[in-house]
Amino acid sequence: NAGVTQTPKFRILKIGQSMTLQCAQDMNHNYMYWYRQDPGMGLKLIYYSVGAGITDKGEVPNGYNVSRSTTEDFPLRLELAAPSQTSVYFCASSHDGVAGGRTDTQYFGPGTRLTVL
Amino acid sequence: AQSVTQLGSHVSVSEGALVLLRCNYSSSVPPYLFWYVQYPNQGLQLLLKYTSAATLVKGINGFEAEFKKSETSFHLTKPSAHMSDAAEYFCAVSVVQGAGSYQLTFGKGTKLSVIP
Repeated sequence: NAGVTQTPKFRILKIGQSMTLQCAQDMNHNYMYWYRQDPGMGLKLIYYSVGAGITDKGEVPNGYNVSRSTTEDFPLRLELAAPSQTSVYFCASSHDGVAGGRTDTQYFGPGTRLTVL
Repeated sequence: AQSVTQLGSHVSVSEGALVLLRCNYSSSVPPYLFWYVQYPNQGLQLLLKYTSAATLVKGINGFEAEFKKSETSFHLTKPSAHMSDAAEYFCAVSVVQGAGSYQLTFGKGTKLSVIP
C-alpha cells in the first residue's frame, strides 16, 4: 500500500493564481481531511469528508474548496491565491471506526509546501 | 470547547536522558487523546492514543503517556532519549465536529532536540 499520497511536493504561486492540491489514499478509508500547518501554530483543519459526495468545513475553510467524487481522492482547490495561504498542507485519512471516528488513527501524507508571492 | 495545551515549544535533552513532553487538556466530557510525531520534512504519524481502556498507554519507539484526570494531563515520556527521537511532537484531542463525526484538534507542538 502507498498509503496517502500528495502532489505536488512543492509549488510557488503568484497572487491571484489558482491551483489544485491532489490527495489520494489506497486504504479504502471513508474519512479524509485537509490541514494546514504554520510554524508554531500546530495543524488547523480546513475541510473534511466522511465519504464520497459528503464534505464539510473545518476551522479555517476560507479561500479553499474541496470535492469528493470517489473514496480514493480528495483534492483541495485554491481559487485566488493569497500570501496568507503560504503554508504546508497535509492530507490525511482514517477508517470510520465506532462512534463517528472518535478514536480513529489518522494517516498523513508527506505534505505539499506552498508559497504564494 | 475541548482543547489541548502543550507546555514548551522547544525542549532539549541529552542523549540517554529522560524525555518529558507536557500536554494538558480542557474537556467537559471524557476526552480521547493522541500523541503524534513529525520527523523533519515528513507527515505526522501516530505515537499512541488514549481511548479510556487503560490510563497508562504504551506507544511506538519506547514512548508512553499517562492519562491523569485529576491533573487534566496526558504527558509523553521516554526513559532514555535517542538521537533519532529528534522531531516535533503534537498532542491532540478528538472533538465532535458535526453530524456526529469527530475530528482532531491539535496543540501547537513541541520540538524535541537531542544533544549528543
